[in-house]
Amino acid sequence: QKEVEQNSGPLSVPEGAIASLNCTYSDRGSQSFFWYRQYSGKSPELIMSIYSNGDKEDGRFTAQLNKASQYVSLLIRDSQPSDSATYLCALYTGGFKTIFGAGTRLFVKA
Amino acid sequence: KAGVTQTPRYLIKTRGQQVTLSCSPISGHRSVSWYQQTPGQGLQFLFEYFSETQRNKGNFPGRFSGRQFSNSRSEMNVSTLELGDSALYLCASSYVGGNNEQFFGPGTRLTVL
Repeated sequence: QKEVEQNSGPLSVPEGAIASLNCTYSDRGSQSFFWYRQYSGKSPELIMSIYSNGDKEDGRFTAQLNKASQYVSLLIRDSQPSDSATYLCALYTGGFKTIFGAGTRLFVKA
Repeated sequence: KAGVTQTPRYLIKTRGQQVTLSCSPISGHRSVSWYQQTPGQGLQFLFEYFSETQRNKGNFPGRFSGRQFSNSRSEMNVSTLELGDSALYLCASSYVGGNNEQFFGPGTRLTVL
């Protein structure tokens, strides 16, 4: 079992819809959880961090964390074509190491 | 505040050569992590440095090494390059004692011929 699992996609949604990206992890000791956005040919950009169970909202983005079920998700409301990118789920497990999932490709159709 | 910088941005080398990549973290960030990103393997953790000491390392051969200087700048070295080393090499810095958020530099694209 991989430490961080994401559906590789592509996930295709129409413009204006809600995009839902999911991530499961295996290490119950994980402390911090992150979502990064990576455009083709660019480096990852941090868009959301979440540390406790529940929802955290920032603009059109909502991160959801459920430690009991070991999943973290990212919702993108009112999806725009500019949101088309690969979204990487990452978690800090302690010991100076952050682990990344393989990413989910999102395509927003205009 | 200036972001993470990496030099060079692009490199072309031939098999058997060695290469050194440089990373300057965000001011005040003392932890630097290095990653290799390839289309097939995604982001793979190479190693992390804090206070000039390697604190963790990933599952890479000894040809991959790194170091960190007293000003927190970091270098990574790959010796005896192989074709499979062609990748985007990313460094990320973070503020130790904070919330462990990492911020990435633009990366160095290494091509091995």
